Amino acid sequence: AQSVTQPDIHITVSEGASLELRCNYSYGATPYLFWYVQSPGQGLQLLLKYFSGDTLVQGIKGFEAEFKRSQSSFNLRKPSVHWSDAAEYFCAVGARGNTPLVFGKGTRLSVIA
Amino acid sequence: EAQVTQNPRYLITVTGKKLTVTCSQNMNHEYMSWYRQDPGLGLRQIYYSMNVEVTDKGDVPEGYKVSRKEKRNFPLILESPSPNQTSLYFCASSSDRGSAEAFFGQGTRLTVV
Repeated sequence: AQSVTQPDIHITVSEGASLELRCNYSYGATPYLFWYVQSPGQGLQLLLKYFSGDTLVQGIKGFEAEFKRSQSSFNLRKPSVHWSDAAEYFCAVGARGNTPLVFGKGTRLSVIA
Repeated sequence: EAQVTQNPRYLITVTGKKLTVTCSQNMNHEYMSWYRQDPGLGLRQIYYSMNVEVTDKGDVPEGYKVSRKEKRNFPLILESPSPNQTSLYFCASSSDRGSAEAFFGQGTRLTVV
């Protein structure tokens, strides 16, 4: 069965520090991988997605993610975190056709001065 | 502007009083879905629809109904709400179930007392 694991429930980083949020997946088909961000009081917004090709994907707001097939991972990174990045982040995996999009349970990011 | 609109944003109701949460999208998407979000449990899919008049159960369908009479609308119906349905609800739409970007509404915070 498909599954997505985000090992870190809550991460706190200092403003200006680098960030890496982990995502591991288990999926039988060729995966389509996504990262979404949920700011307080808002719906989810797509940060970036990976379908094929270059394994390093650039997204909005200065985020990037790297697909590592051998590790079944799709970790999200940002070189320098801003206070406005405080939010909940969700990794998701899917495939073409009538297969569901499976979400991880999310990682809450806090940013301190 | 591409968007998914949910109404209401906030709702407090009493046990057993039927309610409907509306969802509308303007992107001509075939696929729409409803999720509930609870602390520690992440996003769980309630129902989804692949097209007009085609709906199916997600992971947690008990106590909910949906309909898809028009492509743009996908209302969520709670015929007899109970306190365990207190949650944050999201509607989403996309051009494909598992491989395309999902666009989310801003959420409906439901409290059942």
